[in-house]
Amino acid sequence: AQSVTQLDSQVPVFEEAPVELRCNYSSSVSVYLFWYVQYPNQGLQLLLKYLSGSTLVKGINGFEAEFNKSQTSFHLRKPSVHISDTAEYFCAVTRVGSNYQLIWGAGTKLIIKP
Amino acid sequence: DAGVTQSPTHLIKTRGQHVTLRCSPISGHKSVSWYQQVLGQGPQFIFQYYEKEERGRGNFPDRFSARQFPNYSSELNVNALLLGDSALYLCASSLLGGEAFFGQGTRLTVV
Repeated sequence: AQSVTQLDSQVPVFEEAPVELRCNYSSSVSVYLFWYVQYPNQGLQLLLKYLSGSTLVKGINGFEAEFNKSQTSFHLRKPSVHISDTAEYFCAVTRVGSNYQLIWGAGTKLIIKP
Repeated sequence: DAGVTQSPTHLIKTRGQHVTLRCSPISGHKSVSWYQQVLGQGPQFIFQYYEKEERGRGNFPDRFSARQFPNYSSELNVNALLLGDSALYLCASSLLGGEAFFGQGTRLTVV
């Protein structure tokens, strides 16, 4: 079985500062990895995904993530955050071949301080 | 193009009642998945349907059931509601094996 751990429930950061949201996963088989964003009272929107190939993945809104197989991590980064990035961010994993039945972390709230 | 639509957006039910939630996928998407998101937690996988057949089921009691119709829309049914069933229920549609697109969710409150 797979599991996902998001190490920080909240991350406060000043506007225009860099941010890293941490995600570690556990799986005995090959997986695909995802980051989703959820704005208040809205559904989930895909930020980026790792399926194969380059371990550095670029997504929407200036976010990127790096897949590290040896550390079983998939941390999300942005070099300069904006007030509009205030949201909850979820890391998710799915077993290759499972038709994208996603296993989710508990989420990290990104709080942007002016 | 319309995205994934869910109805109703909000719902209040009493313990012991039954509820039906509905989802219309993006046109052309034949796979629909349901997730439960309890406040303060990540979503939990409930069901996946493809071409009207169940392709996966999460760790939920038999009170939870779902079906998919010939037009690929889907219903999630929950019987004998408990207070703990209060959550945001999310529907996602996809081409099988592709990116999941989520609806806005149905906020269910059980009192």
